[in-house]
Amino acid sequence: RKEVEQDPGPFNVPEGATVAFNCTYSNSASQSFFWYRQDCRKEPKLLMSVYSSGNEDGRFTAQLNRASQYISLLIRDSKLSDSATYLCVSLGFQKLVFGTGTRLLVSP
Amino acid sequence: NAGVTQTPKFRVLKTGQSMTLLCAQDMNHEYMYWYRQDPGMGLRLIHYSVGEGTTAKGEVPDGYNVSRLKKQNFLLGLESAAPSQTSVYFCASSYLQETQYFGPGTRLLVL
Repeated sequence: RKEVEQDPGPFNVPEGATVAFNCTYSNSASQSFFWYRQDCRKEPKLLMSVYSSGNEDGRFTAQLNRASQYISLLIRDSKLSDSATYLCVSLGFQKLVFGTGTRLLVSP
Repeated sequence: NAGVTQTPKFRVLKTGQSMTLLCAQDMNHEYMYWYRQDPGMGLRLIHYSVGEGTTAKGEVPDGYNVSRLKKQNFLLGLESAAPSQTSVYFCASSYLQETQYFGPGTRLLVL
């Protein structure tokens, strides 16, 4: 079993839609969690950190459920520019563990 | 600031050839990492370094060696390239372990 698992998608949504991704992790000792965004043939970039209390950054909301060991990312009012692959990431000892990513396609 | 740069951007090798990938960062970060990314596998950590002169193995270290002689540089070597090492290689650096800044990647094809 992979340490971080994600639905690969793709999620096809129209502009303006709300879309949510979930990610599960197996290492209960993981300390911190993140969402990274990766555009086609580009490098990953940090989108946001994930806190137990939940955090919001504009149209993006991330939440962590330690009891069930899952992380979520909610995107409201989707834009064409949101089309990308979203990587769920956990922080273990001295290194990040990346999920394989969920692909989002936003259409006009 | 250039951030994280990688050299070369693209390379084709024949099986058995050797090469070195160079990663450089100008952010004075302690931590540096080498990943490979393959379809359906996600990013997998090859080797990493927590400071100048230190290196450690990641998830898939076999067939690769690394060196961190200077804080700003992290080199990834392939001594005898194999077709299984065809991949996209990303270097990253971070001040703390959390926020990693990635280079643009090196696309390697081994024939």
